[in-house]
Amino acid sequence: AQSVTQLDSQVPVFEEAPVELRCNYSSSVSVYLFWYVQYPNQGLQLLLKYLSGSTLVESINGFEAEFNKSQTSFHLRKPSVHISDTAEYFCAVIGGGQGAQKLVFGQGTRLTINP
Amino acid sequence: DTGVSQDPRHKITKRGQNVTFRCDPISEHNRLYWYRQTLGQGPEFLTYFQNEAQLEKSRLLSDRFSAERPKGSFSTLEIQRTEQGDSAMYLCASSLDGADTQYFGPGTRLTVL
Repeated sequence: AQSVTQLDSQVPVFEEAPVELRCNYSSSVSVYLFWYVQYPNQGLQLLLKYLSGSTLVESINGFEAEFNKSQTSFHLRKPSVHISDTAEYFCAVIGGGQGAQKLVFGQGTRLTINP
Repeated sequence: DTGVSQDPRHKITKRGQNVTFRCDPISEHNRLYWYRQTLGQGPEFLTYFQNEAQLEKSRLLSDRFSAERPKGSFSTLEIQRTEQGDSAMYLCASSLDGADTQYFGPGTRLTVL
């Protein structure tokens, strides 16, 4: 069965500093990888996803993630964070193969931006 | 497109009572998923529908839980004889057939006293 490990439960950073949220997944023949964000008192929103092709994927608000097959990682990065990025971030995977439709989530990383 | 909606947003009940939640997916999305999220954890898969057919159920879904999607549109999740361990956020998501992206609703927060 697929599993996802988010290595940090909480990450505090100062505004305008860079940040990296780490995510590792269990190996499979093929996977789809996602980062979802949950702002306070809101539902989960898709931030970015990797399906195939270029291993570097970007979101519209400056986040990027790189799929690294050899290290089974999909770390999320942003070069300069803003107060509005304060949220919980979830890494998730869908395993390849027919019928494997469910998202398997990591336990989440709470990103706190300090002024 | 109004997004996935869930009702109610909050539910407080006493142990032993039955509760029912509703999810309305994005129109024309034929796949519908239920997840459960407890405090400090990521969401965990409960069950999945393609149109009206329930195709997969997690071992987390005990006999007290039942989900339906009778006309392939909205879905209901019922919990019978609620227990304190059922307290969680229940999330619904939908997607197009063959698509990878699941769109989530705001969730129903259940508190069992």
